[in-house]
Amino acid sequence: EPEVTQTPSHQVTQMGQEVILRCVPISNHLYFYWYRQILGQKVEFLVSFYNNEISEKSEIFDDQFSVERPDGSNFTLKIRSTKLEDSAMYFCASRVGVEGYTFGSGTRLTVV
Amino acid sequence: GNSVTQMEGPVTLSEEAFLTINCTYTATGYPSLFWYVQYPGEGLQLLLKATKADDKGSNKGFEATYRKETTSFHLEKGSVQVSDSAVYFCALTARQGGKLIFGQGTELSVKP
Repeated sequence: EPEVTQTPSHQVTQMGQEVILRCVPISNHLYFYWYRQILGQKVEFLVSFYNNEISEKSEIFDDQFSVERPDGSNFTLKIRSTKLEDSAMYFCASRVGVEGYTFGSGTRLTVV
Repeated sequence: GNSVTQMEGPVTLSEEAFLTINCTYTATGYPSLFWYVQYPGEGLQLLLKATKADDKGSNKGFEATYRKETTSFHLEKGSVQVSDSAVYFCALTARQGGKLIFGQGTELSVKP
């Protein structure tokens, strides 16, 4: 069964450093998403991406965040200057039709 | 705004017990409703879904019925197994293909 692949599975970074979280969505999917889950809390929507542009973003997704689909297969989330409160599990998801979201296994980001 | 509220966990049951996890929602229009499951150390997996009122979603012995009159989508299983131990998330999309809005998650622990 096709999967959404996320790398790395765990990343530790120092406060103020830039991080890039990587995702390889399912190849025929057209819509891409990032969500995050702070430990013990609900899963929160960050951003959706379609046709090479952001289609929707939440108020969490401020100027410190950016997304890119650089080569037609990878979908990346960049955090420019990480803060302690960015520590969370970040999930990538993709879909092709009106339903059928597929999630990756997540990247646990720890900011120290 | 649109939101999802789940019963608080953790829920601890003995094997073969009956499970109910309550989920209610607030949304305009006719949302699609989902249950996702997160096993320890893994990502989010779609468990079942329902896209219109009175639809029943079912999978792996789990069921949930879309009740518009009570704005609910309670998850049920007649006989839980140890392997069902996981965190269960109720979610909605307010429009077809839109972002997922998650409840806070309910941790289920099933003891032998």
